[in-house]
Amino acid sequence: QTVVTQEPSFSVSPGGTVTLTCGLSSGSVSNTNFPTWYQQTPGQAPRTLIYSTNTRSSGVPDRFSGSILGNKAALIITGAQADDESDYYCVLYMGSGLWVFGGGTKLTVL
Amino acid sequence: QLQLQESGPGLVKPSETLSLTCTVSGGSINSGGSYWDWFRQPPGKGLEWIGTIYYSGSTYYNPSLKSRVTMSVDMSKSQFSLKLSSVTAADTAIYFCARHPPNSGNFYWGQGTLATVSS
Repeated sequence: QTVVTQEPSFSVSPGGTVTLTCGLSSGSVSNTNFPTWYQQTPGQAPRTLIYSTNTRSSGVPDRFSGSILGNKAALIITGAQADDESDYYCVLYMGSGLWVFGGGTKLTVL
Repeated sequence: QLQLQESGPGLVKPSETLSLTCTVSGGSINSGGSYWDWFRQPPGKGLEWIGTIYYSGSTYYNPSLKSRVTMSVDMSKSQFSLKLSSVTAADTAIYFCARHPPNSGNFYWGQGTLATVSS
């Protein structure tokens, strides 16, 4: 059973930079996993931020970026703002049509 | 602009089958460039992929739910559907439908609908 790992929580100061990661319980994340990042506030549908590792979705500010760092996918937020305080989820493609989500990271901006 | 709208009963009894429909507007459900998906999110918990269907009828299901899930497409109504059998309280969740292009996790989401399992 493949498990996708994310930090349960993270804190960043306003204006600061934070890197959230998305890993695999076994093995390394690569571009072939099409790492995708979502932002979700309570009661709302997820919003796609970054897909295919580093492609910013339409309308997403350029302070959000994605990459592969070591053996994980990463979401980097530079110049964090108060309204970036949300839950962030990654999803990885595992082949054969299967997608697996990470457990999500609750980001606090304070 | 593409719009996805989930519909279905908000309350289902334990052991029964949950049936949900997603109506697609502003785009073609039989587009070769689209896969159609179902996800869910239990209250206060994370997201879970349930499965994907292509307009041709090809399906891909989460192995943990595969024995209880059936997805189908009705091109005449521009709808795709989810059936989840033998439900329990653990299946109480917001259910989202979505669309994604090939080789991408750029899911385009509906607003979601809450399904509660309770007697």
